[in-house]
Amino acid sequence: QLQLQESGPGLVKPSETLSLTCTVSGGSVSNSGYYWGWIRQPPGKGLEWIGHIYYTGNTYYDPSLTSRVTMSVDTSKNQFSLKLSSVTAADTAVYYCARHVPPYGGSFYFDPWGQGTLVTVSS
Amino acid sequence: EIVLTQSPGTLSLSPGERATLSCRASQSVSSSFLAWYQQKPGQAPRLLIYGASSRATGVPDRFSGSGSGTDFTLTISRLEPEDFAVYYCQQYGSSPGTFGPGTKVDIK
Repeated sequence: QLQLQESGPGLVKPSETLSLTCTVSGGSVSNSGYYWGWIRQPPGKGLEWIGHIYYTGNTYYDPSLTSRVTMSVDTSKNQFSLKLSSVTAADTAVYYCARHVPPYGGSFYFDPWGQGTLVTVSS
Repeated sequence: EIVLTQSPGTLSLSPGERATLSCRASQSVSSSFLAWYQQKPGQAPRLLIYGASSRATGVPDRFSGSGSGTDFTLTISRLEPEDFAVYYCQQYGSSPGTFGPGTKVDIK
């Protein structure tokens, strides 16, 4: 059974860089049929897609975040990572990693998701 | 970008009742690329429905999805205690995929 698990600091200072890693088990990030990415949820609010990465390293980010987001993949460790720079309080959220399922001719739906990790931006 | 609107915002029902949740898109969702997710407090969202009407693996058959174009519906035929949660729709017919604001189904 495919499982994803986020890890990283739960507290980041304003203007610094948020860094998270997602470890995949029960499957491989090198599976050519899927993409991998990140979604966040500010406390008490809805879901915001951040971006995705393919095992080759190709990425696509939400236009509103593209100037601050970097994703990478490490196939040897079966992991992929998120970096979000110049964070503010508005970046406080639960961050989820998720497998991106690409239907032919469409974008992606997400299945499964990691359990999520709360990242608070505060001094 | 396609904007999704979900209604009602909150649905108060009793166990055993039927729940009907609506998701409306600001423009047509191509190929019925519409998904539904369930989120319980403190948990990650779980995929219920994709392709507007296909149940994900392990999802009970009391959950069904329907619709096309701009109007989609998630129906829970008989609410079980574990079904009280927030439900999100997501369109993935155009990039970037977008989520609706959610419908909370709570116990009456």
